[in-house]
Amino acid sequence: GDSVTQMEGPVTLSEEAFLTINCTYTATGYPSLFWYVQYPGEGLQLLLKATKADDKGSNKGFEATYRKETTSFHLEKGSVQVSDSAVYFCALTVNTGGFKTIFGAGTRLFVKA
Amino acid sequence: DTEVTQTPKHLVMGMTNKKSLKCEQHMGHRAMYWYKQKAKKPPELMFVYSYEKLSINESVPSRFSPECPNSSLLNLHLHALQPEDSALYLCASSLPGQGSTDTQYFGPGTRLTVL
Repeated sequence: GDSVTQMEGPVTLSEEAFLTINCTYTATGYPSLFWYVQYPGEGLQLLLKATKADDKGSNKGFEATYRKETTSFHLEKGSVQVSDSAVYFCALTVNTGGFKTIFGAGTRLFVKA
Repeated sequence: DTEVTQTPKHLVMGMTNKKSLKCEQHMGHRAMYWYKQKAKKPPELMFVYSYEKLSINESVPSRFSPECPNSSLLNLHLHALQPEDSALYLCASSLPGQGSTDTQYFGPGTRLTVL
């Protein structure tokens, strides 16, 4: 079935370090891919998305490229800040007779000053 | 207005109680969703409404009963819940244009505790 696999956390980085959070997926058809972020005590917010192969989504310094050949959508940021501390969810949306979103397990990021 | 609001923020109920969760959006979105999120877990889809009609029910127990009375409002009626139903319940909405490419906008959630 359709699924999303993310690297396990927590990930702890110092401020200004480079961030990569790996995400791979399994899906039939042509899913759209998303990264959502959840800050403590809040709902999820869209961080970025890509809707077809080789698309790059970007927002607030974060980037991810839809790689169909490796079924991956890794999240990267060149220089993290303390305010980036949150849980990051990779997700895909597929058409199963209605549009269903499947989330990865989430990766908790801690950024130290 | 780019907000999805949910009430109440917190709810404590006994196993014999009947309560309802409410979700509202005024972005003109025509798809609305209920998710359940346990601590340190990802959201799990429960229901999807598209144009006020139920399009996906992820085999959710009948003690959860969704309702979409109009395009802006989504309710989740709760009855005879179990302690394991305690979780954060998230509502989301999207503009059903391209379908799988649609961004979902999430509310802050209702934290439910079942005693």
